[in-house]
Amino acid sequence: DSGVTQTPKHLITATGQRVTLRCSPRSGDLSVYWYQQSLDQGLQFLIQYYNGEERAKGNILERFSAQQFPDLHSELNLSSLELGDSALYFCASSTSGSADTQYFGPGTRLTVL
Amino acid sequence: AQTVTQSQPEMSVQEAETVTLSCTYDTSESDYYLFWYKQPPSRQMILVIRQEAYKQQNATENRFSVNFQKAAKSFSLKISDSQLGDAAMYFCAFVSGSARQLTFGSGTQLTVLP
Repeated sequence: DSGVTQTPKHLITATGQRVTLRCSPRSGDLSVYWYQQSLDQGLQFLIQYYNGEERAKGNILERFSAQQFPDLHSELNLSSLELGDSALYFCASSTSGSADTQYFGPGTRLTVL
Repeated sequence: AQTVTQSQPEMSVQEAETVTLSCTYDTSESDYYLFWYKQPPSRQMILVIRQEAYKQQNATENRFSVNFQKAAKSFSLKISDSQLGDAAMYFCAFVSGSARQLTFGSGTQLTVLP
């Protein structure tokens, strides 16, 4: 158990819908990262937050957004869902906002029908 | 941009034997860290081992060790005394001091044969 929690574990929804994925980092970690793992794209970085502020952005679609709250939990919002958004979404956390070991949560499996 | 290459999509090893998984990377940075993560069928991403580029000594964690060749930009993982529970997808990953996100290789699926 990495200490990073993610909810829900599974999510099934329809195209065009909006969903919210939630992540709680390890105790003491200030940085949260979101990654997408799909069959054809592998593991891709989406976005990073550090102590409530956005720090780095990867290949995140405009339909996706995220935020980190004062209690350091983070939410990833996915809207206007398409079939191709079906993937495993991981949250990871680390102590600092720089190059540091990232510990991963169990992931949320999103299926868009 | 950094890239990570794992040229072995699949590998197999006999239980109790030793196996080495290969990884090469490309970067112009001097400050970086390398990792091996394991993803078993549960899909959880589990940290196996970490190597700081500034350290010459190869990292070890119990049965897991790395061969870090900085000049060759090579970072292989050796698993000794392989166990059935080692069966998983193994990802090599890189993070530089300037970029904070992990860049992953495409993974190597390891099968352990009883």
